[in-house]
Amino acid sequence: DADVTQTPRNRITKTGKRIMLECSQTKGHDRMYWYRQDPGLGLRLIYYSFDVKDINKGEISDGYSVSRQAQAKFSLSLESAIPNQTALYFCATSDLTGMGRNEQFFGPGTRLTVL
Amino acid sequence: AQSVTQLDSQVPVFEEAPVELRCNYSSSVSVYLFWYVQYPNQGLQLLLKYLSGSTLVESINGFEAEFNKSQTSFHLRKPSVHISDTAEYFCAVAGGYQKVTFGTGTKLQVIP
Repeated sequence: DADVTQTPRNRITKTGKRIMLECSQTKGHDRMYWYRQDPGLGLRLIYYSFDVKDINKGEISDGYSVSRQAQAKFSLSLESAIPNQTALYFCATSDLTGMGRNEQFFGPGTRLTVL
Repeated sequence: AQSVTQLDSQVPVFEEAPVELRCNYSSSVSVYLFWYVQYPNQGLQLLLKYLSGSTLVESINGFEAEFNKSQTSFHLRKPSVHISDTAEYFCAVAGGYQKVTFGTGTKLQVIP
């Protein structure tokens, strides 16, 4: 089984709809992240969480919100989707300890299209 | 603050030829450096990393990268590429306990 899973894998929605993307991990990591990937722009950080009670905005958090329901679960919401939120979204986890400092483990991605 | 620059957005190379993908970084603290690979329609996976020690690091599939502190670079090289190396490659930097910053990616296209 995959260590980091994302649901759904693909989603098409309409402008104005509320969308939730979910991420679960079995790696036991404290840190979780949400990124979006756009062609030519690489990965940009939306939100990150260093533990259940710690939520931080990334570089492009406007229009998004998150919820860290448990150590293993981190959800991303688009309250009112707009077409320029069409992108590939990745969840990632990392641990701070040992020689794997800041090495990130990625989920398979969610392709979101907003019409 | 930290940043990563990958100057080449696309690199075409013939099969069995050598390749170098360039990465430069800036950071005010000591850094950890990473290369990730994204195969078509997949997520990112770690290719290799520099945390400390030897400045030359290698991956299991023949890639290597050298940490050059004076030039603030971490270029990725392979002496002979294969079709299966076609993918997008991302350089990333993490400074101390800061979050990771990714470059904009380089698409490696291996031509038969």
